[in-house]
Amino acid sequence: QVQLQESGPGLVKPSQTLSLTCTVSGDSITRGSYYWSWIRQHPGKGLEWIGYIHSTGHTFYNTSLKSRLTISIDTSKNQFFLNLSSVSAADTAVFYCARLTSSGYDYWGQGTLVTVSS
Amino acid sequence: EIVMTQSPATLSVSPGERVTLSCRASQSVGRNVAWYQQKPGQAPRFLIYGASTRATGVPARFSGSGSGTEFTLTISSLQSEDLAVYYCQQYDKWPVDTFGQGTKLEI
Repeated sequence: QVQLQESGPGLVKPSQTLSLTCTVSGDSITRGSYYWSWIRQHPGKGLEWIGYIHSTGHTFYNTSLKSRLTISIDTSKNQFFLNLSSVSAADTAVFYCARLTSSGYDYWGQGTLVTVSS
Repeated sequence: EIVMTQSPATLSVSPGERVTLSCRASQSVGRNVAWYQQKPGQAPRFLIYGASTRATGVPARFSGSGSGTEFTLTISSLQSEDLAVYYCQQYDKWPVDTFGQGTKLEI
């Protein structure tokens, strides 16, 4: 059973960089044609795709976040990462990592709330 | 960008009822639509893909249909544990995918 777990600070100051890690267990992050994804959900709102990365390092980013966003991967640790720079209160959200297949997101982490506040 | 519009935003339901949720795409996405269930405080759960194929472990009371721009998720006999928010998602215009805004089922 594939499991994903987000980790990182729950509080980030405005203008700083939000950094999260997603640890994948139960399967190798290099196996299969999957994309490893970040999705966020603002409080009480819907789901917003942030971006994803393949084990080869190939990335795709939401254009609305692209200038502030870096997604990277460490296949030796079975982890992938999110860095979102210059955050503001508008970036306060629950962040999920998920596995993207050719048919949708089949496995999700439990989510982690990140609050941007001084 | 494709916009996925779900209706209604909120639906009042009763246990045992047949429930139908709608999702409309702003342009054709073939059958490349997935549905997710999200309960309060939980991550979304993968329910349906390819518009009509149930994901592993999803009860048979959940079914999906549609193609092109109109899609439907049906719960044949609502159980109390089905109270949740349901999202549709298109993955036709990869690598950009988009979610609908969700439909909340409440008593």
